[in-house]
Amino acid sequence: EVQLVQSGAEVKKPGESLKISCKGSGYSFTSYWIGWVRQMPGKGLEWMGIIYPGDSDTRYSPSFQGQVTISADKSISTAYLQWSSLKASDTAMYYCARLIRAVDYWGQGTLVTVSS
Amino acid sequence: QSALTQPASVSGSPGQSITISCTGTSSDVGGYNYVSWYQQHPGKAPKLMIYDVSNRPSGVSNRFSGSKSGNTASLTISGLQAEDEADYYCSSYTSSSIFYVFGTGTKVTVL
Repeated sequence: EVQLVQSGAEVKKPGESLKISCKGSGYSFTSYWIGWVRQMPGKGLEWMGIIYPGDSDTRYSPSFQGQVTISADKSISTAYLQWSSLKASDTAMYYCARLIRAVDYWGQGTLVTVSS
Repeated sequence: QSALTQPASVSGSPGQSITISCTGTSSDVGGYNYVSWYQQHPGKAPKLMIYDVSNRPSGVSNRFSGSKSGNTASLTISGLQAEDEADYYCSSYTSSSIFYVFGTGTKVTVL
């Protein structure tokens, strides 16, 4: 069974760093793109970036370029999304997603709350 | 990179059919047959309903169908049911750095 399991909810202060994870199982992790999607409270879905764990090819949406870092460790079938300095506006639900022309599997989401 | 344009809301009575549009450009919707549609209930992760413009994944009701004409893709829900009340998003491959873009989202209300 294909599964994407994300790390748990986080509460952080502005300026702090954070790295959330997405562990894939039940399929060849290196053969599919993994994407990260942001959903701010009450808002729509936004692609942040995608990574191909097989060779770590990474693409960022212009809106998120330089704001976050996407990485993957294929030895443990895990993708990451990280921030070096969080802002209150980073408060959102973040989903990882397996992508092959469409997202056929989604993680359960990681809620990130940034508040002083 | 702009989001694809969807109507903010669409409503219908049980048993009726409704259609949600998704308008892009020749660089995304019009240029590729990689349009997908997602259903999202409150507090839940999105669920794939249609891929490659008109294909349904296993387990998705045949009341859901997709099509495309030019730069506009459409999702039709026939025989509307109370459980169809949710947010719906389109997505398309695009010739840009990210390769994919979402639509603005449509709230479907069953009257």
